[in-house]
Amino acid sequence: DAKTTQPTSMDCAEGRAANLPCNHSTISGNEYVYWYRQIHSQGPQYIIHGLKNNETNEMASLIITEDRKSSTLILPHATLRDTAVYYCIVRVGNQAGTALIFGKGTTLSVSS
Amino acid sequence: DTAVSQTPKYLVTQMGNDKSIKCEQNLGHDTMYWYKQDSKKFLKIMFSYNNKELIINETVPNRFSPKSPDKAHLNLHINSLELGDSAVYFCASSQGWGANSPLHFGNGTRLTVT
Repeated sequence: DAKTTQPTSMDCAEGRAANLPCNHSTISGNEYVYWYRQIHSQGPQYIIHGLKNNETNEMASLIITEDRKSSTLILPHATLRDTAVYYCIVRVGNQAGTALIFGKGTTLSVSS
Repeated sequence: DTAVSQTPKYLVTQMGNDKSIKCEQNLGHDTMYWYKQDSKKFLKIMFSYNNKELIINETVPNRFSPKSPDKAHLNLHINSLELGDSAVYFCASSQGWGANSPLHFGNGTRLTVT
C-alpha cells in the first residue's frame, strides 16, 4: 500500500468546517483512499472512501485531486464529538488479502 | 444491535495463562480480521479470514491462533500469555476482501497481562 502523510494535529472551532489534508503522492491507479477515525479507545469508525471521484455521505465529503496525489476530508460542521484521531489510508484493489494499514493519523481537536 | 461485537471487553490475566477473545458480526459479511493496538496506539493487522479460510497471517507469534467456526465468528486464542501481549485487540469485518469493501470494527478487548 502507498504511504500517506498527514499533519500530526489540527484544531477546529465548533460549528466550522474541518478540512483534514492527506498526501499520497505514490498512490497507484487501483488504490482507494479511505478515511477512518478513532474516538478515545473505541474501535476505528469508517467515514468514507473513494477511488477517483469526490464522494459525499452523511458524515463527510472526500475531495481527491485530479492527479490523485492528495485528498481532503471535510467535516462540514464540526462538533465536540468529532474530536478524534483521523486516519487517511490507501488500499490496493483487487488483490487477495488486502487489509487496511493504519498510520499515525491526525489528532483533530474541536473546541467551543 | 451491535454490528461487530467482542467479548470480553476487558481481560486481566497472568503470564503463562491461555485465553480466548470472541468476535461475532451480524452484518452478513464473509471476511473478518483481527487487529492489535499497542500502547503507542499503532493499529496493526494480525489475521484475516475469508469464508473461514485464512488469507492474511502477518508476522504474529504462533502462540496466537485464530479460529473461524463460521463466517459470522472469528475467535482469537492466545497461549502462554506474555507481558508484551498487553494491548487492545480489535475485530473487524467486511463484505469481501477487495479494496472497495470498508471494514467495520468492534469496540475492542483490552487485554492486560500481569
